[in-house]
Amino acid sequence: EVQLVESGGGLVHPGGSLRLSCSTSGFTFSTYALTWVRQAPGKGLEWVSSVTHSGDRTYYAASVTGRFTISRDTSKNTLHLQMNSLRAEDTAVYFCAKEWQYQGLWGFFDLWGQGTLVTVSS
Amino acid sequence: DIVMTQSPDSLAVSLGERATVNCKSSQNILYSSNNKNYLAWYQQRPGQPPRLLIYWASTRESGVPDRFSGSGSGTDFTLTISSLQAEDVAVYYCQQYYTPPYTFGQGTKLEIQ
Repeated sequence: EVQLVESGGGLVHPGGSLRLSCSTSGFTFSTYALTWVRQAPGKGLEWVSSVTHSGDRTYYAASVTGRFTISRDTSKNTLHLQMNSLRAEDTAVYFCAKEWQYQGLWGFFDLWGQGTLVTVSS
Repeated sequence: DIVMTQSPDSLAVSLGERATVNCKSSQNILYSSNNKNYLAWYQQRPGQPPRLLIYWASTRESGVPDRFSGSGSGTDFTLTISSLQAEDVAVYYCQQYYTPPYTFGQGTKLEIQ
């Protein structure tokens, strides 16, 4: 069964850091691009960051550029999102999502995890 | 950035009736070299992650019931549910993937009338 399971969310103070992980199974990790999408409480979906299947290219939303870093660990089939200088407006459920096509980066996603909640508050 | 605007924000439809959600992009998302519209539709049921329904504006994802269909081209798109079922209660999002940042519409909440 193809699965994405996020972890690492929690409560953090403004200015703090958090590292999210997305553990994957059921597909060949190194052949699919992966993405983080977030959803603020009661709000819509916001694309955050994507990484190619090989990890050689990364893309970020303007709102997180310079603060967040996406990476992938092929040895552990795990995607990460390092989040620094967190702000209240980063409060959201963070979903990891799998790219639709093998070795592609079209930008739409056929499998999503259940998400992990990040709350930035003093 | 490409802005995606959905209408209406919410919709109440009777069981068995047709439901229509509209999505408009702030710029053309039809790529001329392959004649494909870079638009996807997702369904998000309460407490669940999004689920891919439609991509390339009109291609149904595997396992999606055929009562769901997508249409449109260029800047104007439509998601149609031909005969509403109880399990279709959800928020529906359109998304453009023509260029990063990939952007979503604000969502349309679909309820049973």
